[in-house]
Amino acid sequence: GENVEQHPSTLSVQEGDSAVIKCTYSDSASNYFPWYKQELGKRPQLIIDIRSNVGEKKDQRIAVTLNKTAKHFSLHITETQPEDSAVYFCAAISAGTASKLTFGTGTRLQVTL
Amino acid sequence: EAQVTQNPRYLITVTGKKLTVTCSQNMNHEYMSWYRQDPGLGLRQIYYSMNVEVTDKGDVPEGYKVSRKEKRNFPLILESPSPNQTSLYFCASSLGLAAPGYEQYFGPGTRLTVT
Repeated sequence: GENVEQHPSTLSVQEGDSAVIKCTYSDSASNYFPWYKQELGKRPQLIIDIRSNVGEKKDQRIAVTLNKTAKHFSLHITETQPEDSAVYFCAAISAGTASKLTFGTGTRLQVTL
Repeated sequence: EAQVTQNPRYLITVTGKKLTVTCSQNMNHEYMSWYRQDPGLGLRQIYYSMNVEVTDKGDVPEGYKVSRKEKRNFPLILESPSPNQTSLYFCASSLGLAAPGYEQYFGPGTRLTVT
């Protein structure tokens, strides 16, 4: 089955700096990669996603890049703000088992003033 | 308001006492799923359902049961809870899964403690 690894597990950046979270996946048939943000004590919420036929996608201060050859994808947050502090999860869905979503172990991002 | 609801939100129980966590969605979603969240392990899928009467195991199904008799409801059943099932549980639903726009909507979570 699919295996998703996520790094780093914790990340501290100063306000205004950029943050990058990286994930690798094992199943070359995976074709959809969402990112979820979970604020303290709250439920995960989708912030951005990308399909395997696209290399990059941007939405304001966040972007996701995908390298299918290397089987890794990354979340980039620019001009970080205190409200970006949260746990971020990457995930992958294999085309072979399109009903299972496999999550990474999460990255706790702390944006300091 | 479109939402996924779970009940109870908090539950403390003892080993072996059967319990059910309810999950309901009002968005007419086909797909529903249960996850457990543990520190350092992320979100792990327990069971999922593609549609009414169709359920299948996720990555950590041992000790859990589910049913999907109606489209809107997807209860999680622990027949004989054990302390290793102490966790934060999330129910989620979506139109489908593997496509942009098919966002998974999560419920508020149920924090379960088994002593």
